[in-house]
Amino acid sequence: GAVVSQHPSWVICKSGTSVKIECRSLDFQATTMFWYRQFPKQSLMLMATSNEGSKATYEQGVEKDKFLINHASLTLSTLTVTSAHPEDSSFYICSPPRGGQVNTEAFFGQGTRLTVV
Amino acid sequence: SQQGEEDPQALSIQEGENATMNCSYKTSINNLQWYRQNSGRGLVHLILIRSNEREKHSGRLRVTLDTSKKSSSLLITASRAADTASYFCAAGETSYGKLTFGQGTILTVHP
Repeated sequence: GAVVSQHPSWVICKSGTSVKIECRSLDFQATTMFWYRQFPKQSLMLMATSNEGSKATYEQGVEKDKFLINHASLTLSTLTVTSAHPEDSSFYICSPPRGGQVNTEAFFGQGTRLTVV
Repeated sequence: SQQGEEDPQALSIQEGENATMNCSYKTSINNLQWYRQNSGRGLVHLILIRSNEREKHSGRLRVTLDTSKKSSSLLITASRAADTASYFCAAGETSYGKLTFGQGTILTVHP
């Protein structure tokens, strides 16, 4: 069964509103969560890394004030897209690293398709 | 993070033919992984090859890795229409779990 649960799987929102995406690790504790973004017809790119108990780190070009990341517990990380605009429409997917297991496949959430109208 | 290159960007073949996709990466890696994605949905893990391995097989999949050239290839033999999808390589960097994805190859297999 799934070890990472991501919700919602899709959302449509109006410009200017905020959207929260949740990512839960079900079978293990995740002190870190990778958040990736995939624009239409493009590849996945790392946006940011959330860390339980400390601030998230953002990749170059990602606005930290727009994409709020909170790692509230060892099983939950959230990404909030604030004041969403159509250019934020994308596929967002989370991935918790598996502690102590370097050469194993990565876990991914189911992904969230965000459409801003 | 800088992404690697994949070629071809798109590949169209007939059922039964083999499909080969190539990937190059830029960083030092622990492993190289291949994923499939259907129509912008979630990722399906296909195969992982470690940095000290040169070739790996899994069913109809064959992966090679050349760390001196920082390149990998994925071969799908006897392709099926159900193999139609986007395929991405992902370099597993030294900080475990973090992946740098290639640009992807869109594979279309015609019945």
